[in-house]
Amino acid sequence: GAGVSQSPRYKVAKRGQDVALRCDPISGHVSLFWYQQALGQGPEFLTYFQNEAQLDKSGLPSDRFFAERPEGSVSTLKIQRTQQEDSAVYLCASTLPRFVTGELFFGEGSRLTVL
Amino acid sequence: KQEVTQIPAALSVPEGENLVLNCSFTDSAIYNLQWFRQDPGKGLTSLLLIQSSQREQTSGRLNASLDKSSGRSTLYIAASQPGDSATYLCAAVNTGTASKLTFGTGTRLQVTL
Repeated sequence: GAGVSQSPRYKVAKRGQDVALRCDPISGHVSLFWYQQALGQGPEFLTYFQNEAQLDKSGLPSDRFFAERPEGSVSTLKIQRTQQEDSAVYLCASTLPRFVTGELFFGEGSRLTVL
Repeated sequence: KQEVTQIPAALSVPEGENLVLNCSFTDSAIYNLQWFRQDPGKGLTSLLLIQSSQREQTSGRLNASLDKSSGRSTLYIAASQPGDSATYLCAAVNTGTASKLTFGTGTRLQVTL
């Protein structure tokens, strides 16, 4: 595709609901990243995929967070039993090479509000 | 653990001024350092990437420098324009953890007419 596409752009969830956020990276990009950005803060790393392999999930804040990229293209970030502190913008990024050795392309993010 | 700090948090300048945004990092063992721009409600756009072996990178009116020994990077914007108004973020990639960027909290820039 022309760029990184994320959906939904906005999601409102009641506390305790499960949510799924989708990322469609640029076609052919090997590396895919998820970041969490709280209001007024810089993005915080969540997890990294190299093709379908999740090589780094050290930033996932709890076991309620789960990410997958089963075929090495589209990725889904799932948050179970959402809490108010999960409210943030979730950004997806992709890059052609492995790891963060080249220019990163970010999507516009999915803004999650947990009531 | 790498920590990235950006000063100032916000900056307002009149159109036409040259300006410098500052970024400092605590761990000098970096693989590269990147500068991004973020417009309200949007994702990040990559501006400049400086490899650890480089001193600076230029793109149009933007020039970014890197001094690993002092743990500093600066983004210089020449002849600022209202369209430059945005939040500017710097981010470091450490050599031991090349799967992640560590971001600063950004500098919110407003260029006035």
